[in-house]
Parts: sequence; structure tokens; C-alpha cells
Amino acid sequence: GQNIDQPTEMTATEGAIVQINCTYQTSGFNGLFWYQQHAGEAPTFLSYNVLDGLEEKGRFSSFLSRSKGYSYLLLKELQMKDSASYLCAVRPHSGNTGKLIFGQGTTLQVKP
Amino acid sequence: DVKVTQSSRYLVKRTGEKVFLECVQDMDHENMFWYRQDPGLGLRLIYFSYDVKMKEKGDIPEGYSVSREKKERFSLILESASTNQTSMYLCASSSLTTNEKLFFGSGTQLSVL
Repeated sequence: GQNIDQPTEMTATEGAIVQINCTYQTSGFNGLFWYQQHAGEAPTFLSYNVLDGLEEKGRFSSFLSRSKGYSYLLLKELQMKDSASYLCAVRPHSGNTGKLIFGQGTTLQVKP
Repeated sequence: DVKVTQSSRYLVKRTGEKVFLECVQDMDHENMFWYRQDPGLGLRLIYFSYDVKMKEKGDIPEGYSVSREKKERFSLILESASTNQTSMYLCASSSLTTNEKLFFGSGTQLSVL
């Protein structure tokens, strides 16, 4: 079966650093995506990892270890606007289908 | 910017009605998808299409059908709406040229009474 796990909820303080973990067990692996979704809005793309290591993009970084089936999203210098759900998604197969499998999402609340 | 447009933001329908959800994308993407999103269950794939007139079942296709007559348009059809189809429906598109990153529409919140 296909399984993607991430914590349901997290709370952090404005200005701090938070790490959101994602573990996956899928029939194959051809890339991992992180999306941000504010309440009542569509998910928007944050990052993409297909090779092991850290990808940094401003205040956000994403890490992947394929051997461990593990990724994390790191958010630095948290701002109130970072309060949102963060969705981890895996593309299990290559080819022209683009099908992604999503985790349940982690709702992050940033407090002053 | 890629734009994925869903025809309705909110819909209220009655049990047994036939419901059409429309989605249009303007970036010539090959792939289009319909997901539903429910609290505690995340996004679940209903159907997807990787070419005109092509469709494939996702993880939860029961009670739904789709139509892709033109590359830019992907329609989701609920043949006979039921209360357990009350959900947020999200359309998305992607392309090999963008690493198959999904671009989502704003969603349609469907309530079936």
C-alpha cells in the first residue's frame, strides 16, 4: 500500500524555527513535494526534492533521505502568515501521469 | 502565472441531482486531476487525465465520472449526488516541463443536502 505520515498539528512562536516531518512508504519514488495551504484557499507549491539532501529557498528548506523514506520542511524566522496547513506529497512513478499521493497535512499555528 | 479556474466556489445540491464541476487551465498542461479534500483524510485522487479523451481512475472513483473533450477543460460529474459527496473539490494541472508540479484551482465547496 501507499502511506504518507505527518503530524496533524504543530504550534510554534513567531520568529522561531519549526521542522515538519514526513515519512513515506510507497510502491516507488520519483520525487517529493511540499505544498502550503491557507484556510479556504488552494494549495500552493513550496518545494520539490528528488535527490537526497537539502534544498533551500529563502526562509523555507526541504530535506530528503530516500533510504529512510523521510523528508522534512524547515521554516525559519516564523511569521504569523506562515500559519497554514503543510502538505507532503510523493510521486511514486515516473512517466507522464504526474499522479501524487498526499499525506493528511500538518496544521501549523504560529503564535505571537 | 498558470491559472486553473473552477467554475463555482460554492455549490449546494440535493441528493440525487446530477452535478457538473468544471475546470479550465490556461497553460497547455497535459495532465489534469480532480481531488477531494476532507478533514482528517487529506487530498484523495478521484480521476486524472493525461491527454484529451483519456482518463484514469484514481483512488476513489466510485460515484464519479469525468470528461476531457478539450485539452484545457476537465469536468467532474456526480451522476447522482449523495450526502457523502459533500466535500471540497480541487482541480489541478501539471506538465512534464514543470517537473509535474501541480497547480491547483481555488476549489469548489460542494454541499449535498
